Amino acid sequence: NAGVMQNPRHLVRRRGQEARLRCSPMKGHSHVYWYRQLPEEGLKFMVYLQKENIIDESGMPKERFSAEFPKEGPSILRIQQVVRGDSAAYFCASSPTIMNTEAFFGQGTRLTVV
Amino acid sequence: DAKTTQPPSMDCAEGRAANLPCNHSTISGNEYVYWYRQIHSQGPQYIIHGLKNNETNEMASLIITEDRKSSTLILPHATLRDTAVYYCIVSYENAGNNRKLIWGLGTSLAVNP
Repeated sequence: NAGVMQNPRHLVRRRGQEARLRCSPMKGHSHVYWYRQLPEEGLKFMVYLQKENIIDESGMPKERFSAEFPKEGPSILRIQQVVRGDSAAYFCASSPTIMNTEAFFGQGTRLTVV
Repeated sequence: DAKTTQPPSMDCAEGRAANLPCNHSTISGNEYVYWYRQIHSQGPQYIIHGLKNNETNEMASLIITEDRKSSTLILPHATLRDTAVYYCIVSYENAGNNRKLIWGLGTSLAVNP
């Protein structure tokens, strides 16, 4: 049973380009969470999705950021018109249910905006 | 804001027990305490969680005080590979009955040979 898979592991984008980060949850998991981590800081919640639905996007910046978790395929975190401040590690986690169970994390995507 | 406070750093000798404290004085009755760790540049790894009873698994033990205002994660025989940042998290449930984890800065544990 493969773990949470994120790709790419490293992504370099020029300012103004789009970044697409992919997350395949563990088999059987229908809940996906995205977190962002700046250097020397803890993880910051961004968005929580179930299949085809955004449940909680209270941590998402209002502009340029979007997330989806389609019926088929991985969850996608999209950042449009990237700026240097978007440089961070983005982690995805999945869980089988929402109630009192642990979430399993991927190895993250490290985005560098140059 | 995180609902927990942890010391920023701790040291432990290899082979000895590592006791990592966490204060969560505003925890609600239905909120769980979770512990994760993050080894440098890797994704966070789940360790253990509990509500009010002490818990033990193959990785660690979790001791929660009777008033639930603090807890301690115990690594019984620390190894060099346990060097990591350890996060104590109280699960957060918002008005929509959706839970998410609010992360603080954690404790950076250094296990020394």
